[in-house]
Amino acid sequence: NAGVTQTPKFQVLKTGQSMTLQCAQDMNHNSMYWYRQDPGMGLRLIYYSASEGTTDKGEVPNGYNVSRLNKREFSLRLESAAPSQTSVYFCASAMGVLAGEETQYFGPGTRLLVL
Amino acid sequence: SQQGEEDPQALSIQEGENATMNCSYKTSINNLQWYRQNSGRGLVHLILIRSNEREKHSGRLRVTLDTSKKSSSLLITASRAADTASYFCATDARGANLIFGKGTKLSVKP
Repeated sequence: NAGVTQTPKFQVLKTGQSMTLQCAQDMNHNSMYWYRQDPGMGLRLIYYSASEGTTDKGEVPNGYNVSRLNKREFSLRLESAAPSQTSVYFCASAMGVLAGEETQYFGPGTRLLVL
Repeated sequence: SQQGEEDPQALSIQEGENATMNCSYKTSINNLQWYRQNSGRGLVHLILIRSNEREKHSGRLRVTLDTSKKSSSLLITASRAADTASYFCATDARGANLIFGKGTKLSVKP
């Protein structure tokens, strides 16, 4: 099992460019999450998907869109990148829908630099 | 605002010593989790403790929860260099989703 995989590992964008971060899990999990991690800020939830076909906003959704393509894949799109979106992005998955009761499994992260 | 706050922000100890990290939170919770993050890697789940539990053990890890003080502690006994990492608490106060603290950076020197 690969667990949670993310692509790309590192990306540099210019302000205004768009890109999609890809995430896939092979654990047959129902819930998937996108977080961003900034220095000194911990992890903040951007969007989540409790099941295939559903997505919901987290704490910091502005500037992002998501797609739950199927049960395995959950992508994060930046339509017009801004320097404030420079961060490390983590995808996570969990079996159930109640995040507090579930172990979340994290991918290795995507380091994004917006110039 | 952050729900959980870890203390201290950074901790440096020698191999073989015990490491204690604390987490305080603001509102009532159902569960509290601890995660570890090695440098440049994703988070790894360590332990979950429910609000009706006071203490839980997993190998060299001991977690306590005091709901009256809204705080939890993570104790790592007999630390090893491989324990060097950042440690985060996460609570579920806001319904279904986890809220992570800012983390404690632990350095274990050989």
